[in-house]
Amino acid sequence: DIQMTQSPSSLSASVGDRVTISCRTSQTINIYLNWYQQKPGKAPKLLIYATSSLQSGVPSRFSGSGSGTDFTLTISRLQPEDFATYYCQQSYSTPYTFGQGAKLEIK
Amino acid sequence: QLQLQESGPGLVKPSETLSLTCTVSGGSISSGSYYWGWIRQPPGKGLEWIGTIYYSGSTYDNPSLESRVTISVDTSKNQFSLKLSSMTAADTAVYFCARQTRGGGPREFDYWGQGTLVTVSS
Repeated sequence: DIQMTQSPSSLSASVGDRVTISCRTSQTINIYLNWYQQKPGKAPKLLIYATSSLQSGVPSRFSGSGSGTDFTLTISRLQPEDFATYYCQQSYSTPYTFGQGAKLEIK
Repeated sequence: QLQLQESGPGLVKPSETLSLTCTVSGGSISSGSYYWGWIRQPPGKGLEWIGTIYYSGSTYDNPSLESRVTISVDTSKNQFSLKLSSMTAADTAVYFCARQTRGGGPREFDYWGQGTLVTVSS
């Protein structure tokens, strides 16, 4: 199985800040890395797919980058609605696996 | 607008089999343009992929669940289903159904159901 390690697991930031969340995979996954946002009691929402493609309807302050085994989600200017938990997921091979999550809290 | 809705029991006894159905509206499972998957999330924990099915009936399963998982599709009802046998307390979770895009294989989950909490308890 491909192991997914996100860092940090939790972070505090302020509205307007730029934040980055990292995801490292245990083996190369080509471009097949996706990012989701989840708010309490809700289903995950797809933000970024294939490393850097922005899902339709997602604000442009979200961006993704990376290659090989190291990937990053960046939120350029935090908005109040961005405080949530973020998960990376690889869709390179089965079993599809998720990172443990990164909880973004208000400072 | 595509919508997915999970349905099934909220409480299952240990050793019993869980049966969940996902009803898709606003799009056709049999179009062949997408895959359809199940993901679960234990309370306060992360996400675990359970399995994925194509309209033809081809499936991809998570080996960590051994042979307990059966995923099926009913194109006439625009539904797909999950059966998970030999349930234990460790299977207590919110179960989500989701659409998975097709790009040389199943890829990202772009539409999700709201999720249904399944508790295993006697």
